[in-house]
Amino acid sequence: NAGVTQTPKFQVLKTGQSMTLQCAQDMNHNSMYWYRQDPGMGLRLIYYSASEGTTDKGEVPNGYNVSRLNKREFSLRLESAAPSQTSVYFCASSEAATGTGTGGEETQYFGPGTRLLVL
Amino acid sequence: GNSVTQMEGPVTLSEEAFLTINCTYTATGYPSLFWYVQYPGEGLQLLLKATKADDKGSNKGFEATYRKETTSFHLEKGSVQVSDSAVYFCALSVNTGRRALTFGSGTRLQVQP
Repeated sequence: NAGVTQTPKFQVLKTGQSMTLQCAQDMNHNSMYWYRQDPGMGLRLIYYSASEGTTDKGEVPNGYNVSRLNKREFSLRLESAAPSQTSVYFCASSEAATGTGTGGEETQYFGPGTRLLVL
Repeated sequence: GNSVTQMEGPVTLSEEAFLTINCTYTATGYPSLFWYVQYPGEGLQLLLKATKADDKGSNKGFEATYRKETTSFHLEKGSVQVSDSAVYFCALSVNTGRRALTFGSGTRLQVQP
């Protein structure tokens, strides 16, 4: 049981280049997320997928696209990389919250991250 | 909207000292509250959580109590170890819509021998 895996671990791009960050989970989770982590700002949500076949924008979606390929895999694509996209990217997954109306469980499990440098 | 405010770091303590990291929140709806820990070079790991008022989450000697009246979820540990050196994130999620986590900015803890 590997949990959440991400590839690559580190990437250097030139401005304007494209790349895809891969994420996979083996916990049979329904929901998957992409976050970026910047110094002093915590993690911010880029895109999420509540279930296979659905995706939706998060807090900072500009410059990114995503694909929920199947239940296990959720990829993040940068079509034309910019220096402002230099960051550490984390993928996460969770079971669908049961929704009790008083908070609900929503534990997210994170991958090890991809460090991206755009020159 | 939702937001989480944490005390700024770094927090530097000697081994066996008492730790408190303050966290307060604002939320639309009734949130679940979490503390995540990030060790150097690694991803985030869930440390503890609480899903309703007055619940206490605990793990590895760390504790935090969900205080609805003060909208707080402060992290405490009675005796820190060098191995506790990491970045600690307070976070919340609400039971509506995307249910994604809203994070604080993180607090770096450095424990010296």
